[in-house]
Amino acid sequence: GQSLEQPSEVTAVEGAIVQINCTYQTSGFYGLSWYQQHDGGAPTFLSYNALDGLEETGRFSSFLSRSDSYGYLLLQELQMKDSASYFCAVRDRGGNTGKLIFGQGTTLQVKP
Amino acid sequence: DVKVTQSSRYLVKRTGEKVFLECVQDMDHENMFWYRQDPGLGLRLIYFSYDVKMKEKGDIPEGYSVSREKKERFSLILESASTNQTSMYLCASSLLARSRVQYFGPGTRLTVL
Repeated sequence: GQSLEQPSEVTAVEGAIVQINCTYQTSGFYGLSWYQQHDGGAPTFLSYNALDGLEETGRFSSFLSRSDSYGYLLLQELQMKDSASYFCAVRDRGGNTGKLIFGQGTTLQVKP
Repeated sequence: DVKVTQSSRYLVKRTGEKVFLECVQDMDHENMFWYRQDPGLGLRLIYFSYDVKMKEKGDIPEGYSVSREKKERFSLILESASTNQTSMYLCASSLLARSRVQYFGPGTRLTVL
């Protein structure tokens, strides 16, 4: 079957760095995405990796290792507003019928 | 900015009722999606559409159908609602199938009694 695994909860303090891991097992791989969802809100896109390596966008970075079927989201200089759920997602096919498969989400709690 | 709107934020229906959830996007996107979100299960794809009148089953299509008569509108239909369809329903759209970004609506929390 197809699955993505990520920790269910992570807790960190303001100003710290936190890493949220994601391992995937899918029939195809066309990129790893990360989405953020605040409580009661809509998921919003954070980052995307199609190739191995690190992508940096401000305080957030995302890493991919295709050989290990593994990626992570790195959040630096944590702020209270970063408390949210974070989902990794893999596109399983190319073309018109490619779709995203989401992990179950990681709830990040940032404490003062 | 892309805007994806859903017809209701909260909906309460009775078992056996026919339920329509509407989704509209304003950015001429080709692809539209319906997900349901349940605690501990993440987002699971119900159906998606990559063109008007085109649809494809996602991972959990049973008990649902969809309609896309116009490019901007994608409807999810529960022919006969059941209590196990109580969930948060999220609509999303993307410019193309290969687009890296999906834009989500605010969600409809459906309760089936």
